[in-house]
Amino acid sequence: DTAVSQTPKYLVTQMGNDKSIKCEQNLGHDTMYWYKQDSKKFLKIMFSYNNKELIINETVPNRFSPKSPDKAHLNLHINSLELGDSAVYFCASARSGGANVLTFGAGSRLTVL
Amino acid sequence: AQSVAQPEDQVNVAEGNPLTVKCTYSVSGNPYLFWYVQYPNRGLQFLLKYITGDNLVKGSYGFEAEFNKSQTSFHLKKPSALVSDSALYFCATSTAGKGNDMRFGAGTRLTVKP
Repeated sequence: DTAVSQTPKYLVTQMGNDKSIKCEQNLGHDTMYWYKQDSKKFLKIMFSYNNKELIINETVPNRFSPKSPDKAHLNLHINSLELGDSAVYFCASARSGGANVLTFGAGSRLTVL
Repeated sequence: AQSVAQPEDQVNVAEGNPLTVKCTYSVSGNPYLFWYVQYPNRGLQFLLKYITGDNLVKGSYGFEAEFNKSQTSFHLKKPSALVSDSALYFCATSTAGKGNDMRFGAGTRLTVKP
């Protein structure tokens, strides 16, 4: 039973399209995240939600819109995809509190052509 | 704002030799520090963390890390490297509060050669 699951694992699409990535966790955590890992493997936080409330919203284009229908799910919708959006997107979850460990999903590799 | 830095993009060691992957931090107040490992095509996996207490922290797979407040460092170590330790290693820091804002270093690729 996967703790943090993301779908799809791979996504290949054309520039200008809109796509979504879904994430679900079954750990009972109250905080969920989206991170972007670029081609140089740099890992950058995009968003975090705590109990469906947006807590962290980094400098991310407003084409990216997270949605948390409940505290076990955090989806990422991307409008008008650009070449630079190609990356691996990781979902993670944790119990709130700075000392708590993040559990990561396996990642969703987005390729924009 | 809190941050960590990993000064080495790449570390190469021979199997059986000790390994060190370096990390320095810039945090106001008491830092929460972590090490994660990423194997190819996988998500990050937790190795160990420092919150408070003993400066030497032991973690998974025989790894340990030493918290050094005077040098603001949290280097990852292992006494005897294995080929299977080859992976990407990330140092991270987070803050207290419900946001649990975890920030990662740029990563260090460890290659252990037979």
